[in-house]
Amino acid sequence: AQTVTQSQPEMSVQEAETVTLSCTYDTSESDYYLFWYKQPPSRQMILVIRQEAYKQQNATENRFSVNFQKAAKSFSLKISDSQLGDAAMYFCARTYNQGGKLIFGQGTELSVKP
Amino acid sequence: EAGVVQSPRYKIIEKKQPVAFWCNPISGHNTLYWYRQNLGQGPELLIRYENEEAVDDSQLPKDRFSAERLKGVDSTLKIQPAELGDSAVYLCASSTRAKGEQYFGPGTRLTVT
Repeated sequence: AQTVTQSQPEMSVQEAETVTLSCTYDTSESDYYLFWYKQPPSRQMILVIRQEAYKQQNATENRFSVNFQKAAKSFSLKISDSQLGDAAMYFCARTYNQGGKLIFGQGTELSVKP
Repeated sequence: EAGVVQSPRYKIIEKKQPVAFWCNPISGHNTLYWYRQNLGQGPELLIRYENEEAVDDSQLPKDRFSAERLKGVDSTLKIQPAELGDSAVYLCASSTRAKGEQYFGPGTRLTVT
């Protein structure tokens, strides 16, 4: 099955601290792409970070970075120096090629405490 | 650049009524997607277009759902007749094959009563 699993329905972090959101996936493909999307209450799905499976180097975008473990099929998101605006639902997703459909996990709701 | 535009943002209809959603993708994006997001879940693909051609519609309930993408730009998703279980957020996204990542619109929240 082409599934994406997020085992943490909810997470909480103190402002300015670091939090890691977990994601595992199942695939028989060798070439695929992984994403983290953020969905605030406004519902707009915003791309946070992107990782190509063929790249060994972990992607980073400012305060956001990933730990990509291809053999373990794991793709976690680390948010450093958490800000109140980071509070949202975070979805892990994968596609089997560029332009293919996205398969999403169930989401992790992140709350940030001041 | 302007993002993906969707309308309406909210729609409330009675069951058995028809409803239509409209999407305008980012300029230059040849691939367009319609997803449905049920409450508390991740989005699921309904249909994917490459230009005017529907290349993946395996998840589209074809007895009541239809979609079109005229001239390879705007797209319309229609439900007729709507059922209670169709209540969800309908998301439109677009992408270019060169980059791969998908950019989403704000979605339409449909409530069927």
